[in-house]
Amino acid sequence: AQKITQTQPGMFVQEKEAVTLDCTYDTSDQSYGLFWYKQPSSGEMIFLIYQGSYDEQNATEGRYSLNFQKARKSANLVISASQLGDSAMYFCAMRGAGNNRKLIWGLGTSLAVNP
Amino acid sequence: GAGVSQSPSNKVTEKGKDVELRCDPISGHTALYWYRQSLGQGLEFLIYFQGNSAPDKSGLPSDRFSAERTGGSVSTLTIQRTQQEDSAVYLCASSLVTRVSRHSPLHFGNGTRLTVT
Repeated sequence: AQKITQTQPGMFVQEKEAVTLDCTYDTSDQSYGLFWYKQPSSGEMIFLIYQGSYDEQNATEGRYSLNFQKARKSANLVISASQLGDSAMYFCAMRGAGNNRKLIWGLGTSLAVNP
Repeated sequence: GAGVSQSPSNKVTEKGKDVELRCDPISGHTALYWYRQSLGQGLEFLIYFQGNSAPDKSGLPSDRFSAERTGGSVSTLTIQRTQQEDSAVYLCASSLVTRVSRHSPLHFGNGTRLTVT
């Protein structure tokens, strides 16, 4: 069965420092996609970054990058130069090959950025 | 342009009452999803609509839950005879096409926080 594991319930980082949020996944599919979403206290889920299983390079979107290690089945999110506005819940999700509709979600990591 | 709009943002209801939650997706998005997020949990898939195809209802937890999407746009999630375990945040999302990807990610609304007393 497909599964997403986020092992860090909560993380703290100092403003302007980088932080890595862990995500490991389990799938037997060869083709899949991995997503990271941010959920601030307002509740809206905000799409951050996507990595396809066949992408040769790690995805980057501004201060966000994805450390994709396919053999280890990990897709860690790296946030560089943390800002106070980065404080939020962060969710990792996966789309499998056989089911394009139902993303499988992790339980999330709560990130607090300290001034 | 406008994002996904959900109403109400908060709903408090008594056990046994029916509730209706509304979602207005992004214009032009063909796919619409309902998710449920309980405290400390990830997102639980409820139902999916794609164009004129039959909806995927496989995530609905019981027959008290139903949803419809009229005219391929606005969707309503109805919970009949609410129970305390129905208390959660109900999130609606839409995407441009079925296969979510970098170019067609899910766009979420702010959710409806449902509290059943």
